[in-house]
Amino acid sequence: GQSLEQPSEVTAVEGAIVQINCTYQTSGFYGLSWYQQHDGGAPTFLSYNALDGLEETGRFSSFLSRSDSYGYLLLQELQMKDSASYFCAVTSGGYNKLIFGAGTRLAVHP
Amino acid sequence: EPEVTQTPSHQVTQMGQEVILRCVPISNHLYFYWYRQILGQKVEFLVSFYNNEISEKSEIFDDQFSVERPDGSNFTLKIRSTKLEDSAMYFCASSVNTGGTEAFFGQGTRLTVV
Repeated sequence: GQSLEQPSEVTAVEGAIVQINCTYQTSGFYGLSWYQQHDGGAPTFLSYNALDGLEETGRFSSFLSRSDSYGYLLLQELQMKDSASYFCAVTSGGYNKLIFGAGTRLAVHP
Repeated sequence: EPEVTQTPSHQVTQMGQEVILRCVPISNHLYFYWYRQILGQKVEFLVSFYNNEISEKSEIFDDQFSVERPDGSNFTLKIRSTKLEDSAMYFCASSVNTGGTEAFFGQGTRLTVV
């Protein structure tokens, strides 16, 4: 089977840095993606890691360690608008689908 | 900016009725997907579609579900006989390539079965 674990909730203050971890168990792993979802909205792509290492896109970075079946999303200079749910998702087995984790609800406070 | 559009935004139907959820993927995308999200839960894969046929489907996607690309722009999900547990937000998504490249999601159709 396939499973992903990520924290259910994270709280941080504006301007801070927060890291959301994701561990996975899957077969035929191709890569790890991160999606952001605001309440009532659609999932929005943030990043994709197929190889080990860090990918940086503006204030957001994502890391993958294939040997540890582990990745994280790093959000810097947090803003109130970053309050949302963040989902890690693996592409595995079948090449044409995303398997999502349960999501981490990030609350950013002033 | 191109976007995936879904209609209707809300659909209320009686148990046992058929519903069709409609999607217009981004025009140059080749891969199309349906996902669903029960309120407060994670996004679940239903089906992927490429080259006018299903390329993969989950256990959720049983005989009550079907997908179709009736013309060059629309992509539909049909539920033949809705059940209470089909109540969820249904998201259509599309991508240029497969393998984890960016999937663009529509704003979803909230289906309520009563």
